[in-house]
Amino acid sequence: GAGVSQSPSNKVTEKGKDVELRCDPISGHTALYWYRQSLGQGLEFLIYFQGNSAPDKSGLPSDRFSAERTGGSVSTLTIQRTQQEDSAVYLCASSLGQGGVQPQHFGDGTRLSIL
Amino acid sequence: QQQVKQSPQSLIVQKGGIPIINCAYENTAFDYFPWYQQFPGKGPALLIAIRPDVSEKKEGRFTISFNKSAKQFSLHIMDSQPGDSATYFCAALGYSGAGSYQLTFGKGTKLSVIP
Repeated sequence: GAGVSQSPSNKVTEKGKDVELRCDPISGHTALYWYRQSLGQGLEFLIYFQGNSAPDKSGLPSDRFSAERTGGSVSTLTIQRTQQEDSAVYLCASSLGQGGVQPQHFGDGTRLSIL
Repeated sequence: QQQVKQSPQSLIVQKGGIPIINCAYENTAFDYFPWYQQFPGKGPALLIAIRPDVSEKKEGRFTISFNKSAKQFSLHIMDSQPGDSATYFCAALGYSGAGSYQLTFGKGTKLSVIP
């Protein structure tokens, strides 16, 4: 079956603009995660969804970041009033559930560049 | 703060060599330790994982060694090939305290295998 799909693959925008990043998880995966990967850094957790609920938003760096998930499937990460420090690769992952050893499957990410 | 420290940052080996990547963690509540492989422009892919009740796990040419008392674990790649050239991330899974189990990632090791 299809893997995790993210769009767009690349996004260039001007500082101050809003951006929306989309994630289509693997069908049947109830858990969905967003991460941010900055150049030369590891992956930074942003938010976790179980179904349509987000019990853990602890990683969102500021109130300019928000995310939603609808129908237990597609998720959108929105960054308002983008800043240059928001430039990074945003990765989405999904897993069958929240059980600890459920492997997370990653998409190829959206490379966001803020001019 | 939960941390996973990974070394070296980069590694160059000749084909057939055995690169070793090391990780150390602080939180004794971590209970699952996966390694991810990432090629340029792609998302991380799960390579191999281990639970803390096991000291070693092998899958093909990849081996994880785990030292619970030292809170360290490492990845060994036997008979390395140029196709193994990628960035490798170690990670540790633990309860975030904010409603989810979170993967905490090391900062990655860029491996280059030269023919």
